[in-house]
Amino acid sequence: GAGVSQSPRYKVAKRGQDVALRCDPISGHVSLFWYQQALGQGPEFLTYFQNEAQLDKSGLPSDRFFAERPEGSVSTLKIQRTQQEDSAVYLCASSAEELNYGYTFGSGTRLTVV
Amino acid sequence: DQQVKQNSPSLSVQEGRISILNCDYTNSMFDYFLWYKKYPAEGPTFLISISSIKDKNEDGRFTVFLNKSAKHLSLHIVPSQPGDSAVYFCAAKVNTGKLIFGQGTTLQVKP
Repeated sequence: GAGVSQSPRYKVAKRGQDVALRCDPISGHVSLFWYQQALGQGPEFLTYFQNEAQLDKSGLPSDRFFAERPEGSVSTLKIQRTQQEDSAVYLCASSAEELNYGYTFGSGTRLTVV
Repeated sequence: DQQVKQNSPSLSVQEGRISILNCDYTNSMFDYFLWYKKYPAEGPTFLISISSIKDKNEDGRFTVFLNKSAKHLSLHIVPSQPGDSAVYFCAAKVNTGKLIFGQGTTLQVKP
């Protein structure tokens, strides 16, 4: 596609529910990043994939967060047993080359945990 | 520990004037610095970047200045236009590829 596509755009989850957020990167993009943006803050790094390999997951806040990119294209961020502090916008970004700094971001998924 | 800081949450300028957005950082190991622009309900859009070995990069109305000794960078927009009204994020890249963002500055350009 022309840009990075994320779905759903909005997700309301009851506390304790599991959620799955999807990212479709630009076709052919090698690198894929997930960021979490809390209200009034800048995006915070969660994890990074190069093709299907998860090279950095140092930003995942707890073992309730899990990301995968099994075929090196679409990625899914899964949050188990959601808590209120997980409420945020989850942004996905992709880039064509390794360590390319001009990442293209999707519009994000706004997760609200009630 | 906030490694990248944007100390001004908001800035208001008149159309046609210069907008100056500031950013401070603490880590000398960053190799690139970037500015992103964000409209409501959209993802950040890359604006301009600068390598840590340079002190200035210009692209049309946008210029980024880097002062390594002060660990400070700034984005100059001149002339400012109403369409520039958005949230601007400063970001620093570490050599693993991830970006560390500041908190953002909301710019309002008044007609």
